[in-house]
Amino acid sequence: DGGITQSPKYLFRKEGQNVTLSCEQNLNHDAMYWYRQDPGQGLRLIYYSQIVNDFQKGDIAEGYSVSREKKESFPLTVTSAQKNPTAFYLCASSGPQLAGVNEQFFGPGTRLTVL
Amino acid sequence: AQTVTQSQPEMSVQEAETVTLSCTYDTSESNYYLFWYKQPPSRQMILVIRQEAYKQQNATENRFSVNFQKAAKSFSLKISDSQLGDTAMYFCASRSYNTDKLIFGTGTRLQVFP
Repeated sequence: DGGITQSPKYLFRKEGQNVTLSCEQNLNHDAMYWYRQDPGQGLRLIYYSQIVNDFQKGDIAEGYSVSREKKESFPLTVTSAQKNPTAFYLCASSGPQLAGVNEQFFGPGTRLTVL
Repeated sequence: AQTVTQSQPEMSVQEAETVTLSCTYDTSESNYYLFWYKQPPSRQMILVIRQEAYKQQNATENRFSVNFQKAAKSFSLKISDSQLGDTAMYFCASRSYNTDKLIFGTGTRLQVFP
């Protein structure tokens, strides 16, 4: 089955530690995205990548880093510089824009809790 | 900059009834897309329906339809014959034609009760 996987589903870390969230897709999509979701707020874009070895900051990139070494993978590192990292993180991907709109497909998400 | 506003934090509807969720947006772009996403308790985001701004005809997907008022920058979602499985958060989103970035509203929590 084609889709997007995120692991782990729940993640706990101690304050001051870096942690990496995994996102893998087998949809052969070029573009991948990371969003953060907080209660009472919509999804906010952290980073996105339109092609391998290239990525751009979204609206709330401070305290996060990404890499895109493979088309299928777009891991997100939450660094100790992120002031309020406890949140739900969603990964998404999208294919080429053809005759219509290229929708974004979402993974199941990772809930990160900083203790 | 694009913005999306959902003014109804919570709504409820009885099973089999019809409910309309509101969304307004602001953009200076002439070409853009609008979306409604559903996030059930599992938290998996699912695309419900999409509308291309250049199309005047309102999009329809089974029980879901939109009322797209371009001049008013309004994009409401109508759910007909509501089912218990429609209980979820619903997010309105917009995207310019020449970018991959989605802009989301803050969501409306819909509860369908028997």
